[in-house]
This record gives sequence, structure tokens and C-alpha cells, in this order.
Amino acid sequence: DIVMTQSPDSLAVSLGERATINCKSSQTILYSSNNKNCLAWYQQKPGQPPKLLIYWASTRESGVPDRFSGSGSGTDFTLTISSLQADDVAVYYCQQHYSSPHTFGQGTKLEVK
Amino acid sequence: QMQLVQSGSELKKPGASVKVSCKASGYTFNIYAMNWVRQAPGQGFEWMGWIDTNTGNPTYVQGFTGRFVFSLDTSVNTAYLQISSLKAEDTAVYYCARNVPMDVWGKGTAVTVSS
Repeated sequence: DIVMTQSPDSLAVSLGERATINCKSSQTILYSSNNKNCLAWYQQKPGQPPKLLIYWASTRESGVPDRFSGSGSGTDFTLTISSLQADDVAVYYCQQHYSSPHTFGQGTKLEVK
Repeated sequence: QMQLVQSGSELKKPGASVKVSCKASGYTFNIYAMNWVRQAPGQGFEWMGWIDTNTGNPTYVQGFTGRFVFSLDTSVNTAYLQISSLKAEDTAVYYCARNVPMDVWGKGTAVTVSS
């Protein structure tokens, strides 16, 4: 199984500042057919199901604010929130959609400083 | 509007069975796979597997074989998760989610196993 490891486990950022969450896969998750990395990011707020933010490592899901961006390749990936809003307080998870089982990272809790 | 509506919370005794439903609307049901994902209290996510909504063929992840069954009723655009011989460690919120990556999620069904 591919192991997904996120860092940090928790993060406190001031409103308006940049937040960066990292995700590392235990092996490459590059899909050769389209040369894209099979990495998704989800946001989960308390009492709610996850919401898909980013897939193919950098493609923003429809309706997701452009302050959210994804980057990275190979085994190292990053979710960046360019200017933190109060509504962004949540737990963020990465997931590889390259091979079964589609494993998740352990989550990163993002709070306002 | 695409949505997945799950059945309500369940409280079960150890050894009992539970069947969770997930009704899809707003899209063509048999085009997209349906996944099942478990989230234990205060924990992250475990992808349990998926069911091909066109053929009905289920695929189970290791650790979710034997007591876990995915099924469909395509006449009502509904997927089901049945868990038998419930154990305390099955206590969790169970989500259905469409496609991979998972772009539409149900709100989750809390299953509590307690004597």
C-alpha cells in the first residue's frame, strides 16, 4: 500500500497569512497516460463530510476559491492557502488516487493564530 | 444538484448487523463508482473499497473482507453497506462517496456498537 504522510499535524496561521500543508507519498503517484500526479486534497469541517478541493495535484475543483492551490510532483506535494480566511479552519487531508487502496494522509488541523 | 443522501444513525449491540443506505440523485447513477469510507471517532479516513454501479461488482480493501458487503438497488439509485457480526471497533461514521477522486460525499452515517 502507498503510505501518505502529512506535515505538520497541526498548524496555526494568522488571518490573511499564507498556510502551507505538505504531503509525501511512499512511492511515485505519477499517472503515465497524462503525466499527472494522482493526488487529491480534501477539507473537512467539524460535523461535515469532506469536500474535494484539488485533484491531479493542482486542478482546483469547480467552485473552490482560487486562494487554494496545489503543487508538487513525484512524491512531495503541497496545499497552499494564499490568504487564510476564518472559513478555512478545518482539517485537511491528502489522498492518492493512483492505486488501490486509495490511501489518505493522517490529516492536518488548521487553526487561526 | 448532485447529492448522496445516507440513512440515519444506528445504535447496535455487538454481534448484530447493520445496513446503511446511500441514495444518489442529480446524476446518472451507473456512470460513477461508489466508494465507502470509514472514519473512526477522532480519526482519519479508511477507504473500505468500492462498487461498480454498472455491473454491481464490489471490491473490498484488506481489512474489510468477510463481514462487509457492498450492494446496489439500481431501480432506486441506491448503494448499500451491510456490516455483520458487529464489534465495538466498528463504531465509526461511514461515508459513501462518488468516483475517485471523491467529488460528491454523503453526510455520513454514524454507527455505534455498544452493549
